[in-house]
Amino acid sequence: GENVEQHPSTLSVQEGDSAVIKCTYSDSASNYFPWYKQELGKRPQLIIDIRSNVGEKKDQRIAVTLNKTAKHFSLHITETQPEDSAVYFCAASFGDYKLSFGAGTTVTVRA
Amino acid sequence: GAGVSQSPSNKVTEKGKDVELRCDPISGHTALYWYRQSLGQGLEFLIYFQGNSAPDKSGLPSDRFSAERTGGSVSTLTIQRTQQEDSAVYLCASSLKPAGGLTDTQYFGPGTRLTVL
Repeated sequence: GENVEQHPSTLSVQEGDSAVIKCTYSDSASNYFPWYKQELGKRPQLIIDIRSNVGEKKDQRIAVTLNKTAKHFSLHITETQPEDSAVYFCAASFGDYKLSFGAGTTVTVRA
Repeated sequence: GAGVSQSPSNKVTEKGKDVELRCDPISGHTALYWYRQSLGQGLEFLIYFQGNSAPDKSGLPSDRFSAERTGGSVSTLTIQRTQQEDSAVYLCASSLKPAGGLTDTQYFGPGTRLTVL
């Protein structure tokens, strides 16, 4: 099956600074890469996703980049705010319908 | 519209007892997934249902775990003879039928926190 590695496992940033989370995947056939945000005790919520036919996608303060050759993708959060504190999961598709998830990154934004 | 719902939100049981967890997917979503999330871990795939097709059970950790989906909508995950290592949050997700070769967005329920004493 697909193997997704996510780094770092924890990330502490000063409010207003940027946060970057990186993931690598093993299946070259993967074509869909979503990112989920999970606040404490809440359900995972999709925040942004990217498909393999594009290299970058941006939505306000959040952006995702994809390097298919190197099989890695990254989440970038700019101008971080306290409400960005959460656990973030990357995922990569394998097969026609499955997602394999990274282990998660706990982001803490210091005021 | 209404999102994915799950019940109960919390379940405490004794080792050896059976439990049933329920998932109501988003109306119109034909694909349904169950995941397990252990403390501080990522999401572990358990089982996948798509319409009337045979489910993909490849992620079920043992034969104590089973799931069904009645009428293509509500799903029940059953764990028999629960063990302490079954303690986790069980998440359900649904999506529109994936287009050929393209995985579609999965929407998650709030989860059921299972504690086995």
